[in-house]
Amino acid sequence: DAGVIQSPRHEVTEMGQEVTLRCKPISGHDYLFWYRQTMMRGLELLIYFNNNVPIDDSGMPEDRFSAKMPNASFSTLKIQPSEPRDSAVYFCASNTRDRGLQAEAFFGQGTRLTVV
Amino acid sequence: SQELEQSPQSLIVQEGKNLTINCTSSKTLYGLYWYKQKYGEGLIFLMMLQKGGEEKSHEKITAKLDEKKQQSSLHITASQPSHAGIYLCGADNQAGTALIFGKGTTLSVSS
Repeated sequence: DAGVIQSPRHEVTEMGQEVTLRCKPISGHDYLFWYRQTMMRGLELLIYFNNNVPIDDSGMPEDRFSAKMPNASFSTLKIQPSEPRDSAVYFCASNTRDRGLQAEAFFGQGTRLTVV
Repeated sequence: SQELEQSPQSLIVQEGKNLTINCTSSKTLYGLYWYKQKYGEGLIFLMMLQKGGEEKSHEKITAKLDEKKQQSSLHITASQPSHAGIYLCGADNQAGTALIFGKGTTLSVSS
């Protein structure tokens, strides 16, 4: 498998614009996670899905953030409108827990977002 | 909610020296995960610990979970420049369905 695939790798946008980040999880994984990494706050869990259904979105910082998973092989994280404080690296990860409760997550390469 | 504290926040060691990174949880750990991240890249899974007192090794990296399952340590023996990066500890959330992470420890190895 190619691993978790994220696009784009880098995104520079102007404040107020809509930004869409994309993720393709590993085939067969039924959990998908979106994280945000900054120097100040570290790696924060934003939202995660199980079998395409959002389970916990309590980490989503504001209503400007939304995430969807229309099918098992694709998810998006959208920011509308974007603000400079949204600048961060956004990671997508996936796993399955069909072998037990504990299971490592596999991470994509991340999308580095810069809002100017 | 569970919180993970890592220490130190950063460290610089000379090549060949040993080092230890600690991860402390505010609650009992049911799954503790160590990851490594190189700048600009994703997280690479190193090891998972589940049982109190458990110890695992991979090449020159050893991780241990204490008996009370609230603290883990990552030890690197004879550090090399290839060990440089950010080390993050992660733990299962209360529901056991997602990983939460500490802020990471940035390791630099000088040759």
